[in-house]
Amino acid sequence: QKEVEQNSGPLSVPEGAIASLNCTYSDRGSQSFFWYRQYSGKSPELIMSIYSNGDKEDGRFTAQLNKASQYVSLLIRDSQPSDSATYLCAVKRTGGYNKLIFGAGTRLAVHP
Amino acid sequence: SAVISQKPSRDICQRGTSLTIQCQVDSQVTMMFWYRQQPGQSLTLIATANQGSEATYESGFVIDKFPISRPNLTFSTLTVSNMSPEDSSIYLCSVEDRAPTDTQYFGPGTRLTVL
Repeated sequence: QKEVEQNSGPLSVPEGAIASLNCTYSDRGSQSFFWYRQYSGKSPELIMSIYSNGDKEDGRFTAQLNKASQYVSLLIRDSQPSDSATYLCAVKRTGGYNKLIFGAGTRLAVHP
Repeated sequence: SAVISQKPSRDICQRGTSLTIQCQVDSQVTMMFWYRQQPGQSLTLIATANQGSEATYESGFVIDKFPISRPNLTFSTLTVSNMSPEDSSIYLCSVEDRAPTDTQYFGPGTRLTVL
């Protein structure tokens, strides 16, 4: 079992729709969760961080965390073609130094 | 967040040679990391660059192949030694934000092609 799992996609949604990206993790003690966006040929850029169960909203983005189910998701409302990218879920392990574990990423394609 | 630069941005190298990648941050940071992203893959942590001491390497990565320096709190280098085509990847430097957040931010990356 991979430590952080994501559906590789591509996830194809029409412009204006809600894109839902999902991620599960295996370390039940994980405390910090991050979503990064990576355009082709570019480095990852942070979209959202979430630490507590529930929803966290920032503009068109909402991160959802359910620690009991070991599940974190990212919703993108009113999807735009410019949102087309690979979205990486990252989880920080507990204990020791600050190591981020990345999922394989989900490729999102927003079509006009 | 800190501004991170990397040099070179890309390079094409011959098998058996070595390349040193530089990472510069515009502010002092405690934690710096080096990642590798192979074509079509996600990010894999190579090592944590520790200021004033030896880097902490992840399983599968060794100091002889990927020596790292961290002479101060704003600069680090990663050397890819005795390169083979399998080393063709994007190499990324990242830094962790100061408390109370623990967010990592990435540099622009170095795209390495080994022939």
